[in-house]
Amino acid sequence: DTEVTQTPKHLVMGMTNKKSLKCEQHMGHRAMYWYKQKAKKPPELMFVYSYEKLSINESVPSRFSPECPNSSLLNLHLHALQPEDSALYLCASSQTIQGVQTQYFGPGTRLLVL
Amino acid sequence: DAKTTQPTSMDCAEGRAANLPCNHSTISGNEYVYWYRQIHSQGPQYIIHGLKNNETNEMASLIITEDRKSSTLILPHATLRDTAVYYCIVRGSGTSYGKLTFGQGTILTVHP
Repeated sequence: DTEVTQTPKHLVMGMTNKKSLKCEQHMGHRAMYWYKQKAKKPPELMFVYSYEKLSINESVPSRFSPECPNSSLLNLHLHALQPEDSALYLCASSQTIQGVQTQYFGPGTRLLVL
Repeated sequence: DAKTTQPTSMDCAEGRAANLPCNHSTISGNEYVYWYRQIHSQGPQYIIHGLKNNETNEMASLIITEDRKSSTLILPHATLRDTAVYYCIVRGSGTSYGKLTFGQGTILTVHP
């Protein structure tokens, strides 16, 4: 199984809503990532979890709150988002073999904030 | 991680080889060259990586110049399904996790 799954595929939310994005992998990878991708732009890293601990936070606003309940799951909790937060949110996991890291991406959740 | 430079867009006829160049003149000795692609509305997909030697897998070949300052990704027989944005990324080894810094990439369009 080399798949990273993400739910939901699409999400529309108001600025006062609270919602969560979910990501799951069963490849035994111990690093998981959230990226944000605006239209016609490359993905940008938001957070990295390594062994279920937050290792990198790329100065992401606190209205985005990541959580890693176990080694297979990664959540992104959303609260009080702004319309400019509308984007494709990508989850990834990675394995590192002899110093070479390969990341596997999910299909993304397309978020629209109204 | 070293910066990369890629052409904004390229075209290729179906069935022909697609050769995608990447410049990484500031690459250091322990940095690998990775290629990912992103088909429209999907997540990025790993293609191939290399350090010094040329590499080939079931998807593509990677040719790295002797001075390692540039590389070329080769899709030997491009199909319409290869239409995507192709990202060349340079990243060092070391930690078991870390960010991939995506540049603007090359939009490859394969036409019939």
